[in-house]
Amino acid sequence: QVQLVQSGAEVKKPGASVRVSCKASGYTFSSHGFSWVRQAPGQGLEWMGWISTENGDTKYAPKFQGRVTMTTDTSTSTAYMDLRNLRSDDTAVYYCARSLLAAMDYWGQGTLVTVSS
Amino acid sequence: DIQMTQSPSSLSASVGDRVTITCRASQGISNSLVWYQQKPGKAPKLLLYATFRLESGVPSRFSGSGSGTAYTLTISSLQPEDFATYYCQQYYSTPLTFGGGTKVEIK
Repeated sequence: QVQLVQSGAEVKKPGASVRVSCKASGYTFSSHGFSWVRQAPGQGLEWMGWISTENGDTKYAPKFQGRVTMTTDTSTSTAYMDLRNLRSDDTAVYYCARSLLAAMDYWGQGTLVTVSS
Repeated sequence: DIQMTQSPSSLSASVGDRVTITCRASQGISNSLVWYQQKPGKAPKLLLYATFRLESGVPSRFSGSGSGTAYTLTISSLQPEDFATYYCQQYYSTPLTFGGGTKVEIK
């Protein structure tokens, strides 16, 4: 069965960077890309961007352009999301989701990133 | 960016009720619409895609309709496990955008 397992919770100081990983199993990794979506406490869902596992093409939401980098490692079937220059309003649960830049059919369990001085 | 507006933001309903949630896009999205269900502390779950296509394993009491800029999610007979927050999402163009969510609570 398809599973996406994300890395554990992180606590970071303002200005730092964070990397969240998402290890996929149960399907052919290169068949689908990954979207990254975040959810601030008590808030709705916010799309951050998408990466193709076929050729590494990326599409980032303008809000995150310049501050986010998405990558994949096909040898380990893992997707990564790096977010730099963290601010307090980046505190959120970050999700990876399998996606063909359309519907997101399988989701990771979420990774809480807390930004606090 | 395409803005997605959901209504209502919350509703109270009883088991067995018919529930309808509306999602309006700021421009036409050619049926490129998805619905998710999210329960507290859990990741969203895909319910429908391409407006009306039911994801595998999703009960048939969930249905979707719409065109152009207006779309609806209907739960024909609300069950206890359906109390959750529902989100629409467009994939007509990037950035992909979500509606603000509709929380379905027990009356």
